[in-house]
Amino acid sequence: ETGVTQSPTHLIKTRGQQVTLRCSSQSGHNTVSWYQQALGQGPQFIFQYYREEENGRGNFPPRFSGLQFPNYSSELNVNALELDDSALYLCASSLFTQETQYFGPGTRLLVL
Amino acid sequence: RKEVEQDPGPFNVPEGATVAFNCTYSNSASQSFFWYRQDCRKEPKLLMSVYSSGNEDGRFTAQLNRASQYISLLIRDSKLSDSATYLCVVGRSGNTGKLIFGQGTTLQVKP
Repeated sequence: ETGVTQSPTHLIKTRGQQVTLRCSSQSGHNTVSWYQQALGQGPQFIFQYYREEENGRGNFPPRFSGLQFPNYSSELNVNALELDDSALYLCASSLFTQETQYFGPGTRLLVL
Repeated sequence: RKEVEQDPGPFNVPEGATVAFNCTYSNSASQSFFWYRQDCRKEPKLLMSVYSSGNEDGRFTAQLNRASQYISLLIRDSKLSDSATYLCVVGRSGNTGKLIFGQGTTLQVKP
């Protein structure tokens, strides 16, 4: 196991609602990256957090936002949920920004 | 055109077969290369990093051709437990460790 944990494991929301997903990084890792994986596709990079600051962002709208805490755990917030936001949300932790990334089990989000 | 392209398969092979997966990437500034394995409804797990000199880990061999922007994975003596989706992954240069994933290639090993 990677030591990366995510909560919750599953979530059902309705359109327009807001959601917060959580990730605890592997011990000693200071970088967390978030990915969205739609069914049948590879994961897509949302953003990365390093030492509590956003360190790069993919092609996602501003309603996707995040935080990293002093203990390096992280949150992903999505506002105004849309049906297309239904996906597996993965977080990955790494020792530094360019080091190998290890993934958590993911949160499966369904938007109805 | 996708930045990392893979044949999605599925590849259906008998146990003991040798199977090869290929992947191409479009950004010549890419600096790190990986194969991840993903089981159904699970998270991706690092299978191996890929280097220009090629590298081998047991039954798995990975090759990188920077000139052709091409990455390969060879699995020898396939096992039932090798059944999974194999993701070709490219890392960008620069400060952000953004990983770019291919769509994945599905392998089904049959008895």
